[in-house]
Amino acid sequence: DAGVTQSPTHLIKTRGQQVTLRCSPKSGHDTVSWYQQALGQGPQFIFQYYEEEERQRGNFPDRFSGHQFPNYSSELNVNALLLGDSALYLCASSFLLSSYNSPLHFGNGTRLTVT
Amino acid sequence: AQTVTQSQPEMSVQEAETVTLSCTYDTSENNYYLFWYKQPPSRQMILVIRQEAYKQQNATENRFSVNFQKAAKSFSLKISDSQLGDTAMYFCAFSGGGADGLTFGKGTHLIIQP
Repeated sequence: DAGVTQSPTHLIKTRGQQVTLRCSPKSGHDTVSWYQQALGQGPQFIFQYYEEEERQRGNFPDRFSGHQFPNYSSELNVNALLLGDSALYLCASSFLLSSYNSPLHFGNGTRLTVT
Repeated sequence: AQTVTQSQPEMSVQEAETVTLSCTYDTSENNYYLFWYKQPPSRQMILVIRQEAYKQQNATENRFSVNFQKAAKSFSLKISDSQLGDTAMYFCAFSGGGADGLTFGKGTHLIIQP
Protein backbone atom coordinates (compact mmCIF):
# COMPACT_ATOMS: atom_id res chain seq x y z
CA ASP A 1 0.00 0.00 0.00
CA ALA A 2 1.79 3.10 -1.26
CA GLY A 3 1.91 6.00 1.13
CA VAL A 4 2.09 9.68 0.24
CA THR A 5 4.77 10.33 -2.36
CA GLN A 6 6.30 13.69 -3.13
CA SER A 7 8.61 14.85 -5.88
CA PRO A 8 11.23 16.08 -6.19
CA THR A 9 13.08 15.36 -2.96
CA HIS A 10 15.30 18.43 -3.20
CA LEU A 11 15.13 21.53 -5.33
CA ILE A 12 17.29 24.62 -5.70
CA LYS A 13 15.83 27.72 -7.30
CA THR A 14 16.83 31.33 -7.77
CA ARG A 15 14.95 34.25 -6.28
CA GLY A 16 12.17 35.38 -8.60
CA GLN A 17 11.73 32.01 -10.27
CA GLN A 18 8.67 29.78 -10.14
CA VAL A 19 8.50 26.24 -8.76
CA THR A 20 6.06 23.31 -8.91
CA LEU A 21 6.00 20.56 -6.32
CA ARG A 22 4.05 17.35 -6.76
CA CYS A 23 2.22 14.98 -4.45
CA SER A 24 0.41 11.67 -4.83
CA PRO A 25 -1.88 10.82 -1.92
CA LYS A 26 -2.07 7.55 -0.08
CA SER A 27 -4.25 4.97 -1.78
CA GLY A 28 -7.90 5.52 -0.83
CA HIS A 29 -7.42 9.15 0.17
CA ASP A 30 -9.15 12.00 -1.67
CA THR A 31 -8.02 15.09 0.24
CA VAL A 32 -4.60 16.70 -0.03
CA SER A 33 -3.14 19.37 2.24
CA TRP A 34 0.12 21.27 1.90
CA TYR A 35 2.30 22.53 4.73
CA GLN A 36 5.44 24.67 4.84
CA GLN A 37 8.01 23.81 7.50
CA ALA A 38 10.76 26.38 7.97
CA LEU A 39 13.98 25.25 9.64
CA GLY A 40 13.46 24.74 13.37
CA GLN A 41 9.72 25.37 13.19
CA GLY A 42 6.54 23.35 13.11
CA PRO A 43 4.66 22.94 9.84
CA GLN A 44 2.34 25.75 8.77
CA PHE A 45 -0.86 25.03 6.85
CA ILE A 46 -0.88 26.41 3.31
CA PHE A 47 -4.10 25.01 1.82
CA GLN A 48 -6.25 21.96 1.36
CA TYR A 49 -7.77 20.47 -1.79
CA TYR A 50 -10.81 18.26 -2.08
CA GLU A 51 -12.81 17.43 -5.21
CA GLU A 52 -10.34 19.49 -7.24
CA GLU A 53 -11.17 22.66 -5.34
CA GLU A 54 -9.30 24.64 -2.72
CA ARG A 55 -11.37 24.18 0.43
CA GLN A 56 -9.33 25.87 3.11
CA ARG A 57 -6.38 28.24 3.07
CA GLY A 58 -3.90 29.33 5.68
CA ASN A 59 -2.20 32.70 5.92
CA PHE A 60 -0.14 32.51 2.74
CA PRO A 61 0.01 35.04 -0.13
CA ASP A 62 -1.47 34.46 -3.56
CA ARG A 63 2.00 33.55 -4.83
CA PHE A 64 1.16 30.14 -3.43
CA SER A 65 -1.35 28.30 -5.57
CA GLY A 66 -2.32 24.72 -6.10
CA HIS A 67 -4.21 22.24 -8.12
CA GLN A 68 -5.79 18.85 -7.60
CA PHE A 69 -6.28 16.42 -10.44
CA PRO A 70 -9.09 13.88 -10.97
CA ASN A 71 -6.81 11.10 -9.69
CA TYR A 72 -6.49 13.11 -6.42
CA SER A 73 -2.83 13.99 -6.95
CA SER A 74 -1.88 17.58 -6.34
CA GLU A 75 0.58 20.29 -7.24
CA LEU A 76 1.84 23.25 -5.25
CA ASN A 77 3.04 26.23 -7.26
CA VAL A 78 5.01 29.12 -5.86
CA ASN A 79 5.64 32.18 -8.02
CA ALA A 80 8.19 34.96 -7.63
CA LEU A 81 10.25 32.99 -5.14
CA LEU A 82 11.70 34.80 -2.15
CA LEU A 83 14.60 33.74 0.03
CA GLY A 84 12.06 33.23 2.83
CA ASP A 85 10.31 30.54 0.82
CA SER A 86 13.21 28.20 1.55
CA ALA A 87 11.66 25.40 3.59
CA LEU A 88 10.53 21.81 3.68
CA TYR A 89 7.18 21.47 1.92
CA LEU A 90 5.07 18.64 3.25
CA CYS A 91 2.10 17.08 1.54
CA ALA A 92 -0.49 15.23 3.61
CA SER A 93 -3.49 13.21 2.54
CA SER A 94 -6.67 12.14 4.26
CA PHE A 95 -10.18 10.97 3.47
CA LEU A 96 -13.26 13.15 3.16
CA LEU A 97 -11.62 16.30 4.53
CA SER A 98 -11.54 15.08 8.11
CA SER A 99 -8.25 15.44 9.90
CA TYR A 100 -9.46 13.42 12.89
CA ASN A 101 -11.53 10.50 11.65
CA SER A 102 -9.03 10.10 8.84
CA PRO A 103 -5.79 11.38 10.32
CA LEU A 104 -3.28 12.98 8.01
CA HIS A 105 -0.65 10.82 6.36
CA PHE A 106 2.41 12.82 5.42
CA GLY A 107 4.98 12.41 2.69
CA ASN A 108 8.72 12.83 3.19
CA GLY A 109 8.60 16.38 1.88
CA THR A 110 10.40 18.44 -0.73
CA ARG A 111 13.32 20.52 0.49
CA LEU A 112 13.25 23.82 -1.44
CA THR A 113 16.26 26.12 -1.30
CA VAL A 114 15.98 29.59 -2.81
CA THR A 115 19.27 31.35 -3.52
CA ALA B 1 -7.05 31.88 15.93
CA GLN B 2 -5.66 29.02 17.89
CA THR B 3 -2.10 28.72 19.11
CA VAL B 4 -0.05 25.74 20.25
CA THR B 5 2.92 26.14 22.56
CA GLN B 6 5.64 23.62 23.29
CA SER B 7 7.94 25.06 25.91
CA GLN B 8 10.66 22.40 25.81
CA PRO B 9 12.91 22.84 22.77
CA GLU B 10 14.95 19.76 23.64
CA MET B 11 14.85 16.88 26.12
CA SER B 12 17.25 14.03 26.73
CA VAL B 13 16.60 10.85 28.74
CA GLN B 14 18.19 7.45 29.16
CA GLU B 15 16.82 4.43 27.35
CA ALA B 16 13.99 2.68 29.26
CA GLU B 17 13.13 5.83 31.23
CA THR B 18 9.78 7.59 31.10
CA VAL B 19 9.59 11.06 29.60
CA THR B 20 6.80 13.63 29.41
CA LEU B 21 6.55 16.27 26.70
CA SER B 22 4.47 19.36 27.41
CA CYS B 23 1.98 21.14 25.19
CA THR B 24 -0.48 23.93 25.87
CA TYR B 25 -2.94 25.46 23.46
CA ASP B 26 -5.34 28.32 23.24
CA THR B 27 -8.72 28.20 21.53
CA SER B 28 -12.24 29.48 21.89
CA GLU B 29 -13.72 26.37 20.31
CA ASN B 30 -15.42 23.73 22.38
CA ASN B 31 -15.08 20.79 20.02
CA TYR B 32 -11.63 20.10 18.66
CA TYR B 33 -8.96 17.47 18.26
CA LEU B 34 -5.40 17.23 19.48
CA PHE B 35 -2.55 15.22 18.05
CA TRP B 36 1.05 14.31 18.70
CA TYR B 37 3.19 13.74 15.62
CA LYS B 38 6.72 12.38 15.49
CA GLN B 39 9.22 13.52 12.85
CA PRO B 40 12.38 11.39 12.65
CA PRO B 41 15.37 12.42 10.52
CA SER B 42 13.61 10.86 7.52
CA ARG B 43 11.36 13.97 7.70
CA GLN B 44 8.09 12.06 7.46
CA MET B 45 5.55 13.16 10.06
CA ILE B 46 4.06 10.12 11.79
CA LEU B 47 0.92 10.21 13.92
CA VAL B 48 1.67 9.04 17.46
CA ILE B 49 -1.63 9.58 19.24
CA ARG B 50 -4.83 11.62 19.00
CA GLN B 51 -7.48 12.88 21.39
CA GLU B 52 -10.98 14.23 20.94
CA ALA B 53 -11.72 17.16 23.22
CA TYR B 54 -15.14 15.91 24.28
CA LYS B 55 -13.73 12.58 25.46
CA GLN B 56 -12.60 12.79 29.05
CA GLN B 57 -10.68 9.55 28.94
CA ASN B 58 -7.04 10.02 28.07
CA ALA B 59 -5.89 8.31 24.87
CA THR B 60 -3.33 5.49 25.04
CA GLU B 61 -1.37 3.78 22.28
CA ASN B 62 0.99 1.11 23.61
CA ARG B 63 3.90 2.98 25.30
CA PHE B 64 2.40 6.38 24.48
CA SER B 65 -0.28 8.07 26.53
CA VAL B 66 -1.57 11.59 27.00
CA ASN B 67 -2.65 13.69 29.94
CA PHE B 68 -5.44 15.86 28.57
CA GLN B 69 -6.55 18.67 30.88
CA LYS B 70 -9.27 20.54 28.97
CA ALA B 71 -9.82 23.28 31.51
CA ALA B 72 -6.10 24.02 31.65
CA LYS B 73 -5.78 23.59 27.86
CA SER B 74 -2.91 21.21 28.39
CA PHE B 75 -2.08 18.11 26.35
CA SER B 76 1.11 16.37 27.44
CA LEU B 77 2.59 13.20 25.95
CA LYS B 78 4.09 10.49 28.13
CA ILE B 79 6.44 7.93 26.61
CA SER B 80 7.09 4.91 28.81
CA ASP B 81 10.04 2.53 28.50
CA SER B 82 11.67 4.88 25.99
CA GLN B 83 13.60 3.31 23.11
CA LEU B 84 16.42 4.56 20.90
CA GLY B 85 13.98 4.67 17.99
CA ASP B 86 11.91 7.25 19.85
CA THR B 87 14.60 9.85 19.13
CA ALA B 88 12.88 12.44 16.93
CA MET B 89 11.15 15.81 16.85
CA TYR B 90 7.73 15.67 18.46
CA PHE B 91 5.03 18.11 17.46
CA CYS B 92 1.79 18.85 19.23
CA ALA B 93 -1.02 19.85 16.86
CA PHE B 94 -4.56 21.23 17.09
CA SER B 95 -7.50 20.86 14.75
CA GLY B 96 -10.80 22.65 15.16
CA GLY B 97 -14.07 20.83 14.62
CA GLY B 98 -14.61 20.16 10.93
CA ALA B 99 -12.31 20.41 7.99
CA ASP B 100 -9.38 22.70 8.59
CA GLY B 101 -5.65 22.62 8.67
CA LEU B 102 -3.64 21.55 11.66
CA THR B 103 -1.95 24.17 13.84
CA PHE B 104 1.40 22.86 15.03
CA GLY B 105 3.67 23.84 17.89
CA LYS B 106 7.37 24.47 17.33
CA GLY B 107 8.30 21.00 18.44
CA THR B 108 10.44 19.27 21.07
CA HIS B 109 13.61 17.47 20.07
CA LEU B 110 13.66 14.26 22.11
CA ILE B 111 16.94 12.41 22.42
CA ILE B 112 17.03 8.91 23.89
CA GLN B 113 20.53 8.10 25.18
CA PRO B 114 21.77 4.47 25.22
